[in-house]
Order: sequence, then C-alpha cells, then structure tokens
Amino acid sequence: DGGITQSPKYLFRKEGQNVTLSCEQNLNHDAMYWYRQDPGQGLRLIYYSQIVNDFQKGDIAEGYSVSREKKESFPLTVTSAQKNPTAFYLCASSLAPGMNTEAFFGQGTRLTVV
Amino acid sequence: AQSVSQHNHHVILSEAASLELGCNYSYGGTVNLFWYVQYPGQHLQLLLKYFSGDPLVKGIKGFEAEFIKSKFSFNLRKPSVQWSDTAEYFCAVNIGANNLFFGTGTRLTVIP
Repeated sequence: DGGITQSPKYLFRKEGQNVTLSCEQNLNHDAMYWYRQDPGQGLRLIYYSQIVNDFQKGDIAEGYSVSREKKESFPLTVTSAQKNPTAFYLCASSLAPGMNTEAFFGQGTRLTVV
Repeated sequence: AQSVSQHNHHVILSEAASLELGCNYSYGGTVNLFWYVQYPGQHLQLLLKYFSGDPLVKGIKGFEAEFIKSKFSFNLRKPSVQWSDTAEYFCAVNIGANNLFFGTGTRLTVIP
C-alpha cells in the first residue's frame, strides 16, 4: 500500500526535551513537507525538502530542525527552543516541487508537551 | 503577503441541504487551487483541484468548485449534503516554489 506513514500517532514529552517525529513515504516523491495544525489557524509550513540532502525553512521554522538523508524519510525534531510545541503535526509529500502537483498527507502526530 | 481566507468557521446544515463554502486568496499570478477534507480521526484527503482549463471542477463525493479569477475565489459546493460529509474542509493555494498556503479551515456539521 503506497502512502505516507507518520509515527507515533500520539507523543507525550516533558518540557525541555527534544523529540523527533518520523515521516516515511513509499510514493517515490521528491518533495516532502512538515506542517503544524493548530485550532483555528489552518496548516502552517515548518520545513520543506525538494530533494535529498536539501531542505528549506517554511513560515514557522524556529525551534524545529529536519534532515533528508534518504528520499523516503523526512524526520522532524521539535527542540526545546520551540516555545509552544504542543500541536498536531502533519507530514506531506508531492511528486515534484512547484506547480501542477498535489500534496498527499500522513495521518499526523499529536504532540503534547507537559 | 499571500493569504487564503475561509470565511465560514463552522457551518451546521441538515441533511439534503445545499452547501457552499467560501475561499478567497490574495495573489495575482498563476495559481493552483485545492480543497482538502479531514474526516474525524483521518488524514487530509484531496477533494478536488484546479490547475488550468475549465474553471468548474468536479471532485469526489459529489463536490464541485468554481474558480472565478476576477474574484480570486474558489468556492466549494455540493447540492445535497449527507451526514457522512461532516468534516473539516481546507482550501489551499499553490503559487509555486513549494508555497502551498492553507486557509484556517471550515468545520461542517451535518445533522441527520
């Protein structure tokens, strides 16, 4: 079954700890994205990657880091510098970056920092 | 700055009522337009998309949307909603270079 897998579905962490969210896709897509979804704010772009070993900051990159060592994988680390990390995180991918392409989404990871 | 506006935050309808959800964007160049749906507990799914051509696009589950360039709008419509349409709906605009902007979402509740 082709798709995007995010794990875990729910994640709890103590304040001050870094945490890494996993995102894997087997769609052979070049581009991958991380979004943050908060109630009433829609989806906001954290980071995106157009190709392996390359990534760019989105609108709200502060306090987050990513890597793209493999085409299939785009993990997101929420660092202790992120002031308000509790949120729903969505990973997406698209065949190629740019126009005339649609994004496919994973099921999301709900992160709660206590 | 580019933005996407969804004017309705929460819409409540009875089954068989007609639906129209508004979406406006602020960008003057070429755009790709999307409507995504998020059913309770599920991932975001594409309802329909517009890249070019006929401005009236048909999607899954009887949904359609019309791109009106002069109004910078891409409203979503369905003639007769069902209880199973209860979900959150997101409008999104792609202006290229990985700039896919989302609206704040509209929660639709359909009462049986």
